[in-house]
Amino acid sequence: EEQLVQSGAEVKKPGESLKISCESSGYIFSNYYITWVRQMPGKGLEWMGVVFPGDSNTIYSPSFQGQVTISADTSTNAAYLQWSSLKASDTAIYYCARPIAARAKYAMDVWGQGTTVIVSS
Amino acid sequence: DIVMSQSPLSLPVTPGESASISCRSSQSLLHSHGYNSLDWYLQKPGQSPQLLIYLGSIRAAGVPDRFSGGGSGTDFTLKISRVETEDVGVYYCMQSIQTPLTFGQGTRLEIK
Repeated sequence: EEQLVQSGAEVKKPGESLKISCESSGYIFSNYYITWVRQMPGKGLEWMGVVFPGDSNTIYSPSFQGQVTISADTSTNAAYLQWSSLKASDTAIYYCARPIAARAKYAMDVWGQGTTVIVSS
Repeated sequence: DIVMSQSPLSLPVTPGESASISCRSSQSLLHSHGYNSLDWYLQKPGQSPQLLIYLGSIRAAGVPDRFSGGGSGTDFTLKISRVETEDVGVYYCMQSIQTPLTFGQGTRLEIK
């Protein structure tokens, strides 16, 4: 079964760093983009960016460029989303997702369960 | 960025009736190869989003044929015939013709 399993919920203080993960199984990790999506409390979905594990090519939304780092490691079949200095406004649920076809960025049919990040002093 | 606008934002529906959600994009989503780069997703309460429709009109695996997607260019519609209680949630359209990919604001379907 193709699946994405995300790391557990995090509670952090402003200014702290964080790296959350999205582990894949059941398919060839290097052939499919991984997308990260943010959902702030009570709000809609926001596309943050994608990484292609096969060559680590990454595309960010301008809204998130410089705010987060998206990466992937084919040795662990995992994608990552990291912050160097968290803000309260980073409080959200973060989803990773995989598209329906290799090398496509659309039609995300496999989703992680979401990682809740709470940033509070 | 391409702006996606959905309407209505709230949609109360009686079970068994049909429902329709509109999605408009600020630029054409019609690819030169003839397909539309438009997906529909449903996020049920407390769950991750799930793919319903991609390339404008193709149902994802396991999606009931009560769901259909149509439209082209800048105007798209998701139709749900014979709404069931399990269809409750927030429906999002998303364009993928250019990065950054962008979602509509979401349409909350509720049962009357």
